[in-house]
Amino acid sequence: EAQVTQNPRYLITVTGKKLTVTCSQNMNHEYMSWYRQDPGLGLRQIYYSMNVEVTDKGDVPEGYKVSRKEKRNFPLILESPSPNQTSLYFCASSLAVHTTGEAFFGQGTRLTVV
Amino acid sequence: KNEVEQSPQNLTAQEGEFITINCSYSVGISALHWLQQHPGGGIVSLFMLSSGKKKHGRLIATINIQEKHSSLHITASHPRDSAVYICAVPGAGSYQLTFGKGTKLSVIP
Repeated sequence: EAQVTQNPRYLITVTGKKLTVTCSQNMNHEYMSWYRQDPGLGLRQIYYSMNVEVTDKGDVPEGYKVSRKEKRNFPLILESPSPNQTSLYFCASSLAVHTTGEAFFGQGTRLTVV
Repeated sequence: KNEVEQSPQNLTAQEGEFITINCSYSVGISALHWLQQHPGGGIVSLFMLSSGKKKHGRLIATINIQEKHSSLHITASHPRDSAVYICAVPGAGSYQLTFGKGTKLSVIP
């Protein structure tokens, strides 16, 4: 089954404790991205990757890091989480750019930073 | 940056009603996405369209590129259609998506 898998689904952590949210897709998609969703603000792009070893900033990259060492995986790293990073996070992938490819989303990760 | 406006923000309908959700954007695009977010939070892609109309079951999406406007229609609405519907458009370079704030639909039996 074609899918994007995020882990964990829920995470409560403390300020400053490094964490990683994993994202994996099994569709051989070139394009992957991370979004955060906040009430009243909707979905906003954090980082995206056009292919292995190629990443770029989205609209809200501050406080986040990503890496794309393999095509299937695109982890999101919070080196020193802060309470303002409490949010619902989604990973997504597509075959190609957004003018040609349907987007597939992970189940979401609800992060709380206390 | 493309500005995306959706209307209405909230919509309550009786089961069986015909529903329309609208999406307007400020910068010309070549494709638009409609997404559905379930109450549990998961997001599913419904349509990607670049012209005309697409139909999937009771869902119909239309787009008018010249008027920078798209609509999502649901025929014979059902309580299981209750969800947030989000439209999204590519940004410059096509690697970014800009999202509308969503339309929360509640269908009452």
